[in-house]
Amino acid sequence: SQTIHQWPATLVQPVGSPLSLECTVEGTSNPNLYWYRQAAGRGLQLLFYSVGIGQISSEVPQNLSASRPQDRQFILSSKKLLLSDSGFYLCAWAGQFGNTIYFGEGSWLTVV
Amino acid sequence: TQLLEQSPQFLSIQEGENLTVYCNSSSVFSSLQWYRQEPGEGPVLLVTVVTGGEVKKLKRLTFQFGDARKDSSLHITAAQPGDTGLYLCAGALSGANNLFFGTGTRLTVIP
Repeated sequence: SQTIHQWPATLVQPVGSPLSLECTVEGTSNPNLYWYRQAAGRGLQLLFYSVGIGQISSEVPQNLSASRPQDRQFILSSKKLLLSDSGFYLCAWAGQFGNTIYFGEGSWLTVV
Repeated sequence: TQLLEQSPQFLSIQEGENLTVYCNSSSVFSSLQWYRQEPGEGPVLLVTVVTGGEVKKLKRLTFQFGDARKDSSLHITAAQPGDTGLYLCAGALSGANNLFFGTGTRLTVIP
């Protein structure tokens, strides 16, 4: 069966510091991978998605970037965090047709 | 622009009551999913519907996909406190690589 894990689960970072959230998927190959951000218990905002190694699509201009160095690894990064980057970040995967998305456990980021 | 609108945004009911949550759009979707999310966790898939008019049941939850595949509803019978959570609908457009998520419905079931 397929599993997805992301870490760290909780992160408190000062303004201006770098960020790295990592996500890995097991039990499948060539998945579509996604990073979402969720504001205070509401809907999901798609940040980045990737259909293959090195292929990244950015949906919203952000102080963030994403990379896919391996088939089942997806990384969300920032060089300098802003207060507005605080939120709940979710990694997700889907099969190649992307019809159903499965989420990781989520990462709480607080920028102070 | 929000592709999928959910209503109501917030719903607070007593245990044992019935409720319906709606997910509406002007776009046609190749499939539609419903998720439930609890605080501090990732959304969990409840169901996927793919055929216009399709009805799926999951214990006390009934999901329906509109005939034109533009809307969907989630009906919960005899709600229980364990049904409390954020319910999200999400639609897949033909040829797209991602889902479009609704605005969410926050359900609270009071014991």
